[in-house]
Amino acid sequence: GQNIDQPTEMTATEGAIVQINCTYQTSGFNGLFWYQQHAGEAPTFLSYNVLDGLEEKGRFSSFLSRSKGYSYLLLKELQMKDSASYLCAVWDSNYQLIWGAGTKLIIKP
Amino acid sequence: DTGVSQDPRHKITKRGQNVTFRCDPISEHNRLYWYRQTLGQGPEFLTYFQNEAQLEKSRLLSDRFSAERPKGSFSTLEIQRTEQGDSAMYLCASSLVAETYNEQFFGPGTRLTVL
Repeated sequence: GQNIDQPTEMTATEGAIVQINCTYQTSGFNGLFWYQQHAGEAPTFLSYNVLDGLEEKGRFSSFLSRSKGYSYLLLKELQMKDSASYLCAVWDSNYQLIWGAGTKLIIKP
Repeated sequence: DTGVSQDPRHKITKRGQNVTFRCDPISEHNRLYWYRQTLGQGPEFLTYFQNEAQLEKSRLLSDRFSAERPKGSFSTLEIQRTEQGDSAMYLCASSLVAETYNEQFFGPGTRLTVL
């Protein structure tokens, strides 16, 4: 079966750095997405990785290792507005997005 | 506003009633997706269209659910004989198939409560 695992919840301090991990087992792989979702709102796109390595975009970076079926999202200089759920999703061989359950990130002052 | 829009934003209905939701995608996008999301879970794929053709439907989707995209623009999702287990957020997303990847843009969702 297809499976995406992320921690359910993480807590971090304002101004710090946090790394949210995602492991996946899917039927094929055409890329991995990270989305941010604030409570009661729709997901918004953060990043896309299809090749191994690190993609940096401002305070957010995303890493992929296809051989390990592993990705992480790195958030730097955390702000209170970063409190949200972070969803990992894999584009499988049928170009369907398979979603993880999301990691709820709580930022404390 | 040129984003994805959904209507209504909230729907409360009694068990056994039929409901219909509408999604208007970003105008130049040719793909339209429907997802269902419950609290603490990621979106669950329901179905998707490329232009007016419904290309895939989740095996988990019962025959009470039907979706249309008659002219390749807006789409409707109908749930017949609603059950309490249908209570969820129904999300619509659209994308433009491109050479690299197709980022999905989500609408605000329709929150369904079945009493």
